[in-house]
Amino acid sequence: DAKTTQPPSMDCAEGRAANLPCNHSTISGNEYVYWYRQIHSQGPQYIIHGLKNNETNEMASLIITEDRKSSTLILPHATLRDTAVYYCIVRLLSYNTDKLIFGTGTRLQVFP
Amino acid sequence: KAGVTQTPRYLIKTRGQQVTLSCSPISGHRSVSWYQQTPGQGLQFLFEYFSETQRNKGNFPGRFSGRQFSNSRSEMNVSTLELGDSALYLCASSLGLAGAEQYFGPGTRLTVT
Repeated sequence: DAKTTQPPSMDCAEGRAANLPCNHSTISGNEYVYWYRQIHSQGPQYIIHGLKNNETNEMASLIITEDRKSSTLILPHATLRDTAVYYCIVRLLSYNTDKLIFGTGTRLQVFP
Repeated sequence: KAGVTQTPRYLIKTRGQQVTLSCSPISGHRSVSWYQQTPGQGLQFLFEYFSETQRNKGNFPGRFSGRQFSNSRSEMNVSTLELGDSALYLCASSLGLAGAEQYFGPGTRLTVT
């Protein structure tokens, strides 16, 4: 079972920041938080991941609370092309598995 | 470099038949994972292959099987198809190292009638 809880849907105005929350209260010390998104009828796309420090890349920022029980994915300037289902995944980094356990995700709708 | 490719993209089969789906990973990637996506169950892990060996397996019946070739290309097979096997089948490839980013293909949409 997925170890994360996300709101089923969110809306965001184009050009504004989209803040997508994720709860992972049972996360273990050696588990990372990963974010993927899936645009309609395409394969999921990796966005970002982190352990405990905040992370930023060209797509998004990831803010992880100090107790690591929740995190927020931030898309700083949402565009219509960011409309997708966003998945927050807790993943144990192991050399012998690539397995991802997807939850139900958050459907983000960006409107003009 | 070329992304993950899956063939065919669309497939229609009849109950009781069997089907083989193919996945070509990104060059240099040694790990290939397969997922099933349905409206009711979401994205579910089927199995993962690394260097021609099955490394992990999800909770699916034995009708679902796979293999990986020496060039890292992978196939999955579903025998005795059921209506409930209608789904988008996705494969993902990675270097196979701990925490390596996974790249997904566009998927094969299988419809069983």
